[in-house]
Amino acid sequence: AIRMTQSPSSLSASTGDRVTITCRASQGISSYLAWYQQKPGKAPKLLIYAASTLQSGVPSRFSGSGSGTDFTLTISCLQSEDFATYYCQQYYSYPLFGQGTKLEIK
Amino acid sequence: EVQLLESGGGLVQPGGSLRLSCAASGFTFSSYAMSWVRQAPGKGLEWVSAISGSGGSTYYADSVKGRFTISRDNSKNTLYLQMNSLRAEDTAVYYCAKEFCSSTSCHTLYDYWGQGTLVTVSS
Repeated sequence: AIRMTQSPSSLSASTGDRVTITCRASQGISSYLAWYQQKPGKAPKLLIYAASTLQSGVPSRFSGSGSGTDFTLTISCLQSEDFATYYCQQYYSYPLFGQGTKLEIK
Repeated sequence: EVQLLESGGGLVQPGGSLRLSCAASGFTFSSYAMSWVRQAPGKGLEWVSAISGSGGSTYYADSVKGRFTISRDNSKNTLYLQMNSLRAEDTAVYYCAKEFCSSTSCHTLYDYWGQGTLVTVSS
């Protein structure tokens, strides 16, 4: 079974910072990777699919890259509304989420 | 506007049963596969089950196989999850989610989610 490992599990940053979150698959998943943002008490929101394609309506400060086993989500200039938990998800086989990265205000 | 509205959650004793529903609107329900995804308190997301648009194909996580049954009624635009033999570890918020389709293909990632319904398994 494929395993997804996200790092870091938590991250402190300030408004205006550039942050990067990493997701690693235990085997190659091509570009079948999505990223979600989740705020407390809310459902996840799709940000990126196919590893690097921005979902409609998502700000361009979000970007994704990678293929195969190593992927990154980058937020280029943190805004206050970006502090949330982020999950990667592979859809190469049965859907599987990473364990999440909590992005907190420093 | 796409809307997904779950219902049916609540408190149930270990070994008990519960049926969740998800009422969909704003899209052609029968054209899309649907899934249930859960989130235990303070934990991450776990895919539970999926069903094809026609209802002819169903898929389950190993953790619920043989205990949960996913189904849909396309005439009512409603998705269901029948949960039997519930355990404490099934305690979670259960989300229904619509599969994402690009201009060329569909995949099991999710562009719309419901607000979730809480299932608590406890004596």
